[in-house]
Amino acid sequence: GAVVSQHPSWVICKSGTSVKIECRSLDFQATTMFWYRQFPKQSLMLMATSNEGSKATYEQGVEKDKFLINHASLTLSTLTVTSAHPEDSSFYICSARDRRSGNTIYFGEGSWLTVV
Amino acid sequence: GQQVMQIPQYQHVQEGEDFTTYCNSSTTLSNIQWYKQRPGGHPVFLIQLVKSGEVKKQKRLTFQFGEAKKNSSLHITATQTTDVGTYFCATSNTGNQFYFGTGTSLTVIP
Repeated sequence: GAVVSQHPSWVICKSGTSVKIECRSLDFQATTMFWYRQFPKQSLMLMATSNEGSKATYEQGVEKDKFLINHASLTLSTLTVTSAHPEDSSFYICSARDRRSGNTIYFGEGSWLTVV
Repeated sequence: GQQVMQIPQYQHVQEGEDFTTYCNSSTTLSNIQWYKQRPGGHPVFLIQLVKSGEVKKQKRLTFQFGEAKKNSSLHITATQTTDVGTYFCATSNTGNQFYFGTGTSLTVIP
């Protein structure tokens, strides 16, 4: 079946540094990918919709200069958390839509970010 | 984004008992999807409902979309320990963004 790979799975960084998380669709092309943030025992909150070849669409309250999204190809979207702070520590997860299978959404494994 | 509420937030059942989670919206939904997230894992797509009154079954799981397309339910018959996890409903808008419900965490006591 379709697979979405997310990397890294775990990352620890110092405050003030930037961290890049990659989301790849391994066996299908994804013109649209989604980035979510999930706090422990809470639901997934949509951060932005990543569109291949164009700017991402950010949800209200999400700082686009803080969370940079690049969807450079049909199989790769990246989320860069810039000037990370401890409150950015969270589980970040991406998903991609496979149009071949009726727009089924597949999720990546998620990335745990800890900012110290 | 769209507001989709789920109840209950938590549910503890004895193995073998049934379980139901409900998803409610104040607005008409074009579709509803259900996902399962195991502890420490990522959400896994279960099913999508698009038609008013639609009912779909997957083994012990029964999914229903309300006639008014404002609510949906997931019912598990005779729960097993493998059913443990958080069940989310999600819906998409015309822009194809997916918004998740608050989730129901299911614990199955052996």
